[in-house]
Amino acid sequence: EVQLVESGGGLAQAGRSLRLSCRGSGLKFGDYAMSWVRQAPGKGLEWLGFIRSKIHGGAIEYAASVRGRLTISRDDSNSIAYLQINSLRSDDTAIYYCSIPQVEVGRNPLHYYGMDVWGQGTTVTVSS
Amino acid sequence: DIQLTQSPSSLSASVGDRVTITCRASQSVMKYLNWYQQKPGKAPRLLIYAASSLQSGVPSRFSGSGSGTDFTLTISSLQPEDFATYYCQHSYTFLTWTFGQGTKVEVK
Repeated sequence: EVQLVESGGGLAQAGRSLRLSCRGSGLKFGDYAMSWVRQAPGKGLEWLGFIRSKIHGGAIEYAASVRGRLTISRDDSNSIAYLQINSLRSDDTAIYYCSIPQVEVGRNPLHYYGMDVWGQGTTVTVSS
Repeated sequence: DIQLTQSPSSLSASVGDRVTITCRASQSVMKYLNWYQQKPGKAPRLLIYAASSLQSGVPSRFSGSGSGTDFTLTISSLQPEDFATYYCQHSYTFLTWTFGQGTKVEVK
């Protein structure tokens, strides 16, 4: 069974940095793109960014709202994806999910479909 | 950035009702539009990908249609377990991905 487990959340101080982890199991982790999505309390889903698999170039895309302050990376040898959030703000308070977007096979340039595997989420609370 | 606008933002319906939710994109995303269901305290669940393809394990009462900028999610006969919030999301490679604001389906 494919599973994603996020960790690293908790109470953090505004202005500091935090790194979240997403560990995958039941899959050949390096073959998959990894995406990050967050949800502030009582709000909708916000896509943050994703990192392609190395076999598809490894490029990273970010939402404009977080570009420059969030960094996505991956360690395929340990089946982990990371999300680093710098200069934490109160509006970073949210549940953070990692997820796997499906690749559209045979399409050039590469396209993705929806995210079909999700972790349970890790909660970040930013205090001032 | 591209905007996805869902309508309505919320709706009240009864078991057995046909429910339709629309998602309009501010520019074309071709077929790269996906639909998710989310229940309180749970991660989202993919229902429909590529506008009209049913994700494995999702009941056939869910269907999607559309292309370009206008898309629809339909639940043909609402079941008790379908009361939830639904989100559209685009995954078109040449545009930054985004979600719609969500549609909450509540008990009438």
